[in-house]
Amino acid sequence: AQRVTQPEKLLSVFKGAPVELKCNYSYSGSPELFWYVQYSRQRLQLLLRHISRESIKGFTADLNKGETSFHLKKPFAQEEDSAMYYCALSYSGGGADGLTFGKGTHLIIQP
Amino acid sequence: DAGVTQSPTHLIKTRGQHVTLRCSPISGHKSVSWYQQVLGQGPQFIFQYYEKEERGRGNFPDRFSARQFPNYSSELNVNALLLGDSALYLCASSLFRTQGHTEAFFGQGTRLTVV
Repeated sequence: AQRVTQPEKLLSVFKGAPVELKCNYSYSGSPELFWYVQYSRQRLQLLLRHISRESIKGFTADLNKGETSFHLKKPFAQEEDSAMYYCALSYSGGGADGLTFGKGTHLIIQP
Repeated sequence: DAGVTQSPTHLIKTRGQHVTLRCSPISGHKSVSWYQQVLGQGPQFIFQYYEKEERGRGNFPDRFSARQFPNYSSELNVNALLLGDSALYLCASSLFRTQGHTEAFFGQGTRLTVV
């Protein structure tokens, strides 16, 4: 069975400091990995996906199949980055398209 | 477009009762998925529907059921409610591909409290 682990429930960093939110996964197939974000009083929304290999709002994430990790990074944190971040894995089997989410990391950027 | 809309926003039910939650997808999206999010946890996949057929199911008991209508809206039904069913229920709509995942757009959710 697939599993996503986010070891940090809460991460607090100062504005301008680097940020790394950790995500590890277990999945026997070829995974698609995502980061979803939920800002205060807003809906859960897609931040980025590994296959697009793009930087969104300064965030990047590299899929490391050897370490089964998909850590989210940003070199200089901004106050507007404060939010709940969820790592998710898609298992596309038999036409199903569900997401397995981690428990989430609450990122707080201090001024 | 208002995005994915869910109703009601809040609901209080008694143990043993039945509940129906509703979801309207983004226009043009034919796939609807349901997730349960218990406080302090990430969303957990319940069902995916596409073209009125169930395409995927998570590890939930048979008390949970869903359906999708010709206009692609969806209902989630839960029978014989338990205290542990108290959670935020999220609906997500997406385009559908037979291979690979498409971006899921989430609604604001329905907060269900079972007393």
